[in-house]
Amino acid sequence: DAKTTQPTSMDCAEGRAANLPCNHSTISGNEYVYWYRQIHSQGPQYIIHGLKNNETNEMASLIITEDRKSSTLILPHATLRDTAVYYCIVEGILTGGGNKLTFGTGTQLKVEL
Amino acid sequence: DAGVIQSPRHEVTEMGQEVTLRCKPISGHNSLFWYRQTMMRGLELLIYFNNNVPIDDSGMPEDRFSAKMPNASFSTLKIQPSEPRDSAVYFCASSLGWGYPNEKLFFGSGTQLSVL
Repeated sequence: DAKTTQPTSMDCAEGRAANLPCNHSTISGNEYVYWYRQIHSQGPQYIIHGLKNNETNEMASLIITEDRKSSTLILPHATLRDTAVYYCIVEGILTGGGNKLTFGTGTQLKVEL
Repeated sequence: DAGVIQSPRHEVTEMGQEVTLRCKPISGHNSLFWYRQTMMRGLELLIYFNNNVPIDDSGMPEDRFSAKMPNASFSTLKIQPSEPRDSAVYFCASSLGWGYPNEKLFFGSGTQLSVL
């Protein structure tokens, strides 16, 4: 069974904030939330990750609800170059450290003028 | 750093032929992953290595698929014999690996494989 649920597609006007939701109601205490994106014909690209606190970096912000059952990726000022498939991934840490990622179907974000 | 380098970028072959895909991970990275992407199945993890040792190959679809990592700077994914249903984009990714539990994966540009 999929660990995450995301909308299939979303649209956003350029310059506006893009808010991408993700449901992960069965997340366990040691599992992290990762976000990656894949621009057409390219390999996936890391965006951000978090455990329970909200996180921000130069690309985006990650808001995780207090119960950790859902999260939102925020692109504060979307541009046309942000058009991509966005993947929300929930994974734990493997024994001995390290991690591997299981990708779902993601959300196709289309940023328009 | 040049990032994860995959070759060839495109490969067209006939059914039954052997196909070898190549990957050079980022220098200093200890973990390497092979993924396959199709429209029907999305991104699937095939196999991953840590310190050149295969850790989990449960995603390898059949015995026709094999992967090796003879050293820290090179890995191959081989399909023998190839079949049309193997047509996909194959991605290689690397990360710092064990001891760095939250490390991000860096993906290559992929190899577009077409088996006729």
